[in-house]
Amino acid sequence: DAGVIQSPRHEVTEMGQEVTLRCKPISGHNSLFWYRQTMMRGLELLIYFNNNVPIDDSGMPEDRFSAKMPNASFSTLKIQPSEPRDSAVYFCASTQTGGRVEQYFGPGTRLTVT
Amino acid sequence: AQKVTQAQTEISVVEKEDVTLDCVYETRDTTYYLFWYKQPPSGELVFLIRRNSFDEQNEISGRYSWNFQKSTSSFNFTITASQVVDSAVYFCALTSGSARQLTFGSGTQLTVLP
Repeated sequence: DAGVIQSPRHEVTEMGQEVTLRCKPISGHNSLFWYRQTMMRGLELLIYFNNNVPIDDSGMPEDRFSAKMPNASFSTLKIQPSEPRDSAVYFCASTQTGGRVEQYFGPGTRLTVT
Repeated sequence: AQKVTQAQTEISVVEKEDVTLDCVYETRDTTYYLFWYKQPPSGELVFLIRRNSFDEQNEISGRYSWNFQKSTSSFNFTITASQVVDSAVYFCALTSGSARQLTFGSGTQLTVLP
């Protein structure tokens, strides 16, 4: 079975540009999570969806960040405008609610904003 | 609120030594799940094990073993006869109550020297 798929794997952009990160969860999983990993703050949850509905977005750092899940097999995390402090690795993870609760992570997108 | 503490920032051992990674957690919920994830140098997050709060039975999987003690709020991870391939950052994580998001510890960097 395919795992969580993220694209792109690496993104380098200039400050002020819009960045869109993409995620395809594992088929059959109905919860999806976006995390950010930095040296300073470690792994932190940005937002999570259950059945395509955003449940908790308290971790989204500011209005420049937005996330959508238009259907069960696709989610995006957008940063507009991007800033150098947004440089991090962004992970998407998915799980099944009502059953096993471990989350399975994608390979991550390494974002560099110059 | 929930919290996970991994007091060991870095550990270095010589191959074939046994090593234990400590994890202490805090939660007010009586139902919770504990996890260990491995992050090798390639960067992906790999799920290793899940434990629920009602099952204190220790678990062994090959060279890996986990010791869950509710009395001390600890969920420690031991690698027996360590190998160079075990070199990675190991994260302990917690989810509790109705929450689905993971709270991660800060991670322990394990280096196994040949």
